[in-house]
Amino acid sequence: DSGVTQTPKHLITATGQRVTLRCSPRSGDLSVYWYQQSLDQGLQFLIQYYNGEERAKGNILERFSAQQFPDLHSELNLSSLELGDSALYFCASSVEGLVETQYFGPGTRLLVL
Amino acid sequence: GNSVTQMEGPVTLSEEAFLTINCTYTATGYPSLFWYVQYPGEGLQLLLKATKADDKGSNKGFEATYRKETTSFHLEKGSVQVSDSAVYFCALSGGIVAGGTSYGKLTFGQGTILTVHP
Repeated sequence: DSGVTQTPKHLITATGQRVTLRCSPRSGDLSVYWYQQSLDQGLQFLIQYYNGEERAKGNILERFSAQQFPDLHSELNLSSLELGDSALYFCASSVEGLVETQYFGPGTRLLVL
Repeated sequence: GNSVTQMEGPVTLSEEAFLTINCTYTATGYPSLFWYVQYPGEGLQLLLKATKADDKGSNKGFEATYRKETTSFHLEKGSVQVSDSAVYFCALSGGIVAGGTSYGKLTFGQGTILTVHP
């Protein structure tokens, strides 16, 4: 158990809909990362937050957004969903948000029908 | 930008066989290198890491050496077990990227599926 929790574990929805994925980092970790794992794109970095502020952005679509709250949990919002958004979404956390070990949650599997 | 290339899989071995999974990287500066493992239905777990050239990371019988001259970080294990069956990801973090610091974001290879038979 990494100490990072993600909810829900599975999500099935329809095209055009909007969903919210939630992540709670390990106790004491200030930085949260979101990654997307799909068969065609592999594991890709989406976005990073540190202590409530956006720190780095990767290949995140404009239809996707995220935030980190004062209690340090984070939410990833996916809107106008398309079939191609079906993937496993991982959250990871680390202490400082620098070059250090990241601890991954179990992931949320999203299926868009 | 940063990139990681892993050997194509899947890899199928018999128990007690020797394992090598090749990983090469492209990065400017001095990135840190990682191997993560993903067991079926689970998230990624850090297997080992190395933060500077010639460092050797090791854990659970797995080893990898950070070779700056060949930009490689190959994963090896002398005798695999059925319980090692998983997907293995090589990744890097840090280095220098256009537009400023890369902070901690990980750049992953495509992953290698390892299956070990009894």
